Amino acid sequence: NAGVTQTPKFRILKIGQSMTLQCAQDMNHNYMYWYRQDPGMGLKLIYYSVGAGITDKGEVPNGYNVSRSTTEDFPLRLELAAPSQTSVYFCASSAALAGTQYFGPGTRLTVL
Amino acid sequence: DAKTTQPPSMDCAEGRAANLPCNHSTISGNEYVYWYRQIHSQGPQYIIHGLKNNETNEMASLIITEDRKSSTLILPHATLRDTAVYYCIVRSLNAGGTSYGKLTFGQGTILTVHP
Repeated sequence: NAGVTQTPKFRILKIGQSMTLQCAQDMNHNYMYWYRQDPGMGLKLIYYSVGAGITDKGEVPNGYNVSRSTTEDFPLRLELAAPSQTSVYFCASSAALAGTQYFGPGTRLTVL
Repeated sequence: DAKTTQPPSMDCAEGRAANLPCNHSTISGNEYVYWYRQIHSQGPQYIIHGLKNNETNEMASLIITEDRKSSTLILPHATLRDTAVYYCIVRSLNAGGTSYGKLTFGQGTILTVHP
């Protein structure tokens, strides 16, 4: 099993550009999560999903959108990139909402 | 949500036991103690969790005090590859608890294992 995979690994965006961060898992987990981690800080939850078609906001959702059309995939969309969105983004999945979360390798995003 | 307090950094000699403390004095009865670690630039990795009994797995041991207000993660024979940030997280596994399902990461403890 590949576990949780994320693409791309690195990306540089200009202010106002948009992009989609991809996340996929092959563990048949219903629950998926997006976190961001700013330098020297812990992770903060952006959005999560409890199954295909169902998403909810986390702690810091502003500036982001998500969708969940399949169990395997949970993309994160940035519509108008801002320098404050410069961060490392981690995707995670779990079998249950209170289950152990397994993390992907992260996407390092810089907005200039 | 119960909050946790960890020392910002610790050192450990290779081959020795690393004992990482965590205070969670406001923990409630249905909240578990979870430990994750993050090796530089990688995603967090689950280590262990427990409610009130001591727990051990292939990676580490978790010692929780009787009053559950603090815990210690023990890496029995630390190696250079154990250098990482270690996060202690309190989390409810019961629906209805304010920390249900949430993984709230603080700043953790930077553990440096040296030769």
